[in-house]
Amino acid sequence: SYELTQPPSLSVSPGQTARISCSGDKLGDKYTCWYLQKSGQSPVLVIYQGNKRPSGIPERFSGSNSGNTATLTISGTQTMDEGDYYCQAWDSSTVVFGGGTKLTVL
Amino acid sequence: QVQLVQSGAEVKKPGASVIVSCKSSGYTFTNYAIHWVRQAPGQRLEWMGWINAGNGNTAHSQTFQGRLTISRDTSATTGYMELSSLRSDDTAVYYCARELATVTNGFDYWGQGTLVTVSS
Repeated sequence: SYELTQPPSLSVSPGQTARISCSGDKLGDKYTCWYLQKSGQSPVLVIYQGNKRPSGIPERFSGSNSGNTATLTISGTQTMDEGDYYCQAWDSSTVVFGGGTKLTVL
Repeated sequence: QVQLVQSGAEVKKPGASVIVSCKSSGYTFTNYAIHWVRQAPGQRLEWMGWINAGNGNTAHSQTFQGRLTISRDTSATTGYMELSSLRSDDTAVYYCARELATVTNGFDYWGQGTLVTVSS
């Protein structure tokens, strides 16, 4: 079965750039989505189709996808950006989520 | 405004079945798919399956082979997830989420989650 691999955790200081990777076989050929889940809340879509931001998502969130890796970049990270980030892709009519990356901003 | 409102928390015994509903409003129900995703305590998101609310086609993860039934009622604009032969490791928060049925646009709205506890 298809797998997406993310680093378990990342820590950055406020104002720095955070880059979260997601790797999978030929992931660059697929549309990747990213979600932020804050503690005790439902996930929120922050990037879809690899690099598009839904309405209401700040411009500091961006995405890229090439080869076997998709990357979520948060420029000028703020404390409100803390939480668990999940990548997601479709493979053979099924959906796969990565294991999640816990972003700490301190 | 778009809303997905799920049914309330459930406590079930091992071997029983559970049905979680997801009432949708604020958009054209049949233009979208309803996905079901669960999250065990402290664990990752796990995709379970989906239904095209327009034509009723479904697909699900092999993990739930034979135990999962996903359905919808277009007149009630509601999706349903039934999981049978419950085990303790089915204890989780279950979410519904919508996605355009024809384009991979991501899960842009989610329900509030339903906690299902399986315990003897």
